[in-house]
Amino acid sequence: QITLKESGPTLLKPTQTLTLTCTFSGFSLTTTGVGVGWIRQPPGKALEWLALIYWDDDKQYSPYLKTRLTITKDTSKNRVVLTMTNMDPVDTATYYCAHRLPTREFDSWGQGALVTVSS
Amino acid sequence: SNELTQPPSVSVSPGQTVTITCSADKLGETYVFWYQKKSGQAPVLLIYQDVKRPSGIPERFSGSNSGNTATLTISGTQIMDEADYYCQVWDTNIHVVFGGGTKLTVL
Repeated sequence: QITLKESGPTLLKPTQTLTLTCTFSGFSLTTTGVGVGWIRQPPGKALEWLALIYWDDDKQYSPYLKTRLTITKDTSKNRVVLTMTNMDPVDTATYYCAHRLPTREFDSWGQGALVTVSS
Repeated sequence: SNELTQPPSVSVSPGQTVTITCSADKLGETYVFWYQKKSGQAPVLLIYQDVKRPSGIPERFSGSNSGNTATLTISGTQIMDEADYYCQVWDTNIHVVFGGGTKLTVL
C-alpha cells in the first residue's frame, strides 16, 4: 500500500521560503519510471501542478514558477523535498505530493498540507 | 501547449447520467486523466489513459477521448459523487496541465 504525507510550516510571512517534505512508503523512488510530484490548490481554485522528480533524478518544473522552485529527493529516507522561495499571500494553498506511475498517472496522493502566507 | 477547458459546473439528479467535458486543440492525440476532488480530501484518480479505471473505482465512471474533447461519464450518479472533477494531460512544454475543474452538483 502506497502512502504519502506532507509536512512543513503552516504559516509563513511574505518573502519567506517554504520547505515542504513528502515522506512516502510502499514504493521506491529508484524504480524505473516512478516519480513524485507536487500539486497545490489555493482556496476555491483549481489544482495547479508545481514540480516533479523522477527515479533517475530528472526534474520538471512549472514554467510559471520555475525560478522559485527546487525539488530534491532522498531515496534512502523515502523523502522528497520542495522549496519555494519568496512566498506571497497568493501562494496560500493546500500543497499535495503524489506518486506518479510509469504510465504517467498520479495514482496516490498525500492528505495535503495547508500553507498560509500572511504578514 | 494545451489549455484544458472544462465547464465550471454541471448538475444531475440522482440515478441519472451526467457527462463532464474537457476540451483542447487535438486533445484526442494525447492521453487524458481524470481526478475527483472532494472538499477537504485528497484528489482521487478516476480514469487514466482516457478510458482505464484503477481498481476500486466503480464501473459507473467511464471516460472517452476523441477529436478536441475528452468526456467523463458518470452513469447512475449517486449523491456521494458530488465533487469537483479535473482533467489532466501531459504537455511538452508545461509538462503537467490540469483543467479548471467542474463542480458536480447532485440534486
